[in-house]
Amino acid sequence: EAGVVQSPRYKIIEKKQPVAFWCNPISGHNTLYWYLQNLGQGPELLIRYENEEAVDDSQLPKDRFSAERLKGVDSTLKIQPAELGDSAVYLCASSQRDKNTEAFFGQGTRLTVV
Amino acid sequence: EDQVTQSPEALRLQEGESSSLNCSYTVSGLRGLFWYRQDPGKGPEFLFTLYSAGEEKEKERLKATLTKKESFLHITAPKPEDSATYLCAVKGQGAQKLVFGQGTRLTINP
Repeated sequence: EAGVVQSPRYKIIEKKQPVAFWCNPISGHNTLYWYLQNLGQGPELLIRYENEEAVDDSQLPKDRFSAERLKGVDSTLKIQPAELGDSAVYLCASSQRDKNTEAFFGQGTRLTVV
Repeated sequence: EDQVTQSPEALRLQEGESSSLNCSYTVSGLRGLFWYRQDPGKGPEFLFTLYSAGEEKEKERLKATLTKKESFLHITAPKPEDSATYLCAVKGQGAQKLVFGQGTRLTINP
């Protein structure tokens, strides 16, 4: 079974430029998460989807970040414009809905803003 | 608000030297406590889920235990390939999100 797939793996952009990350969750997983991980820290939730609905986006900086999950499968996270402080690893994870089960993570996208 | 604190931040052991990692948590109604392993440049890899105090799970040289306030990840006779960052996370009542600790960076010297 394929795991969570993210792309790109690495991205280097200049500040003020836009950037987008893509995630394909595990088949059949209704819940999709985007996490942010700074160096030496644990992941922090940005947004959680149940199917196509964003049910927890309280930690998403909405002035520059946006996300969508069309048709309740793939998801895209966008930053516009990027700032130097956005340099981090962006992780996507998925899990089965309504179960106290574990979430499975993708390899992440390492973003460097210069 | 759910919180997780892991200790120590970093741990260096000799191959074969057993030890334990600690995860202290506060949560309003625990729905699950999760241990992950993360290698440099990779996403977290799931290890264990614990649901209630007294529960234990084992996998090779790793054993996870749970009390009402903390969880331990015991590593028996570790090998260099066990070197990684170990992350602990909790999921509380009414919330589906995982709240993570900052991780313990474990290094096993040959």
